[in-house]
Amino acid sequence: GQQVMQIPQYQHVQEGEDFTTYCNSSTTLSNIQWYKQRPGGHPVFLIQLVKSGEVKKQKRLTFQFGEAKKNSSLHITATQTTDVGTYFCAGTSYNQGGKLIFGQGTELSVKP
Amino acid sequence: GAGVSQSPSNKVTEKGKDVELRCDPISGHTALYWYRQSLGQGLEFLIYFQGNSAPDKSGLPSDRFSAERTGGSVSTLTIQRTQQEDSAVYLCASSLAFQPQHFGDGTRLSIL
Repeated sequence: GQQVMQIPQYQHVQEGEDFTTYCNSSTTLSNIQWYKQRPGGHPVFLIQLVKSGEVKKQKRLTFQFGEAKKNSSLHITATQTTDVGTYFCAGTSYNQGGKLIFGQGTELSVKP
Repeated sequence: GAGVSQSPSNKVTEKGKDVELRCDPISGHTALYWYRQSLGQGLEFLIYFQGNSAPDKSGLPSDRFSAERTGGSVSTLTIQRTQQEDSAVYLCASSLAFQPQHFGDGTRLSIL
C-alpha cells in the first residue's frame, strides 16, 4: 500500500538556524498537505500543494512539491522558538479514494 | 463556526473494561478519520469513513477495536476489553473530500 516517509524524525537547532524536513511517497500523489502539531495540541493544517513543482511561501516557511509529485519539503528560515512542534506531511494518492496518508512527522526543537 | 468535537476529553478506566469515544465532525464533512497517538509518537491511522462508501478499517490494530458512523455524521470508536497498551490520545479529524483535515482536541485514554 501507499507509504509516506518523512525525515528526519528529530531536529534540534539553535534559534536563527534554518530547518528542513523532507517527505517521500511510494506512489504519485494528487496533492500533499502539511500540518503542525504544537506540544500538547492537535495537528493544524498549514498548506496544501497540488501542482507539480509548486512552491508556496508563508512568511519564513517555504513548501515545495516535487516535479514527479512524489516528494515534498518544508523549509523554515531563521527558526524561532515559536516554530517548536512536530511537522507532518500527508498525501493523497489517485487510487486511494481520497484517503490521506500521514508521514511519521519531524519533531523540531529550537534552543534560544 | 463549530469545529470537530470529541468526548470525553479524558477517560480513565480499568483494564478489561469497554470504552466508547465520540466524535462530532464539522457539519457537511464527508470524510472522517480516527487516529491514535502515543506520547511523542506520530499519528497511527485507525479507520477512515468517506460518504456512503464502506469504511477503510485497515488500521484497526485488533478485533477489539470497532467504529461506526451513524447517518454520515457522528462517529463512535469502541474499544472492548481494554489493555494497557491501548493508552494513548485518540484523535478524530473530518474533511471534505480531498480537502484539509480538521482535528478535534482528542480523547486522552488511560488504562489502569
